[in-house]
Amino acid sequence: GQNIDQPTEMTATEGAIVQINCTYQTSGFNGLFWYQQHAGEAPTFLSYNVLDGLEEKGRFSSFLSRSKGYSYLLLKELQMKDSASYLCAVISGGYNKLIFGAGTRLAVHP
Amino acid sequence: EPEVTQTPSHQVTQMGQEVILRCVPISNHLYFYWYRQILGQKVEFLVSFYNNEISEKSEIFDDQFSVERPDGSNFTLKIRSTKLEDSAMYFCASSAGTSGSLSDTQYFGPGTRLTVL
Repeated sequence: GQNIDQPTEMTATEGAIVQINCTYQTSGFNGLFWYQQHAGEAPTFLSYNVLDGLEEKGRFSSFLSRSKGYSYLLLKELQMKDSASYLCAVISGGYNKLIFGAGTRLAVHP
Repeated sequence: EPEVTQTPSHQVTQMGQEVILRCVPISNHLYFYWYRQILGQKVEFLVSFYNNEISEKSEIFDDQFSVERPDGSNFTLKIRSTKLEDSAMYFCASSAGTSGSLSDTQYFGPGTRLTVL
C-alpha cells in the first residue's frame, strides 16, 4: 500500500524554527517533494530530495533518509506569512504520479 | 515566470451535467496531470498524460472522466454526468521530465472549484 504520514497541526512563534516530519511507505520511490498550500490556493513547490541528505534553499531546508522512509522540512526565521499547510509528496512510479500526505497545518503566531 | 493557468476558476453545475475543465500547461513541459482535492482532504492523483495518451490513472478516474489535448497548448478534463461527490478543487499540473531529477517538479495551476448541486 501507499502511506504518507505527517502531523496534522503545528504551532510556532514568529522568528522561531520549526521542523515538520514526514514518513512514507510507498511501492516505489523516485523522489520526495514538499509543497506549501495556503487555504483555497494551489500547492506551490518548496523543495525536492531524491538522494539522502539535506537540501538548503534560503529559509527552507529539507532532509531525506531513504532507508528510514523519512523526511523533514525545516523552516527558519518564521514569518506570519508562513502560516499554511505543508504537503509531503512522494513520486511513485515511472510517470511521476505524486502521492500526497494529508498535510501539516502550521500556525505562526506573534 | 511561466505558470500553469486554469479556467474557469469556479464552475457550478447540476448533477448529471457534463463539465469541461481547461488548463494551459507551461509551454515547454511534456507531462501533464490532473489532481483533485475535496474540501478538507488531501490532494489526490487522477491521471497523467504524455505524448498524447494517458500514462497512468487512478481508481478515481473511471469511465465518467476523460482527458484531451485538443491543440498544442490546452489540456482538458471532461467529467460526464457529474455527481454530488465530484464537488472538489481540480488542479492541473505539468512537469518537464521524469528522470529522477529536479525536472520532475510538478507545477500546479490555481485550480477550478467545481460545485455540483
